[in-house]
Amino acid sequence: NAGVTQTPKFRVLKTGQSMTLLCAQDMNHEYMYWYRQDPGMGLRLIHYSVGEGTTAKGEVPDGYNVSRLKKQNFLLGLESAAPSQTSVYFCASSYRGFYEQYFGPGTRLTVT
Amino acid sequence: QKEVEQDPGPLSVPEGAIVSLNCTYSNSAFQYFMWYRQYSRKGPELLMYTYSSGNKEDGRFTAQVDKSSKYISLFIRDSQPSDSATYLCAMTEGAGAQKLVFGQGTRLTINP
Repeated sequence: NAGVTQTPKFRVLKTGQSMTLLCAQDMNHEYMYWYRQDPGMGLRLIHYSVGEGTTAKGEVPDGYNVSRLKKQNFLLGLESAAPSQTSVYFCASSYRGFYEQYFGPGTRLTVT
Repeated sequence: QKEVEQDPGPLSVPEGAIVSLNCTYSNSAFQYFMWYRQYSRKGPELLMYTYSSGNKEDGRFTAQVDKSSKYISLFIRDSQPSDSATYLCAMTEGAGAQKLVFGQGTRLTINP
């Protein structure tokens, strides 16, 4: 089992550009999450999903959109990137409930 | 006041020492407690998961929860240089809770 995988691993964007980050899990987990991690700020939840076709806002959702069309995939979109979105993005999944989350390897995004 | 407090360190100990990492929390409704290990430039890795109070052991790692004191600990016995990482505690309320609260992480270095 690959667990949680993220694509791409690195990306550099110019301000105003858009992109989509892909998360995939092969553990048949119901819940999936997108976090960002910044120095001194810890892990902050952007959006999450409690099942296929559902999405919900987390702590810092502004500037991001998500979709969960398939149970195993969770997409994070940036429609118009801003330098404040420079961060490391982690996807996570859990079977049922917010406990026992398993994380992916991360995507390093730089917005210039 | 933060819901979860964790000493950021850094903590530096010699190889073979017993390491104690701790978190305090203010929300008495927390029931699920997790410890994650994060190596530099990697995703958080779930180390231990405990429900309610008590101890849980896995190899050289022991997780302890004291709900009366709102205090959790992770002990590492016979510490190795490969244990050098940032350790994050995380906790959540019941199974229906929609928030996982992380500590800021403690940076640990094991010196050979």
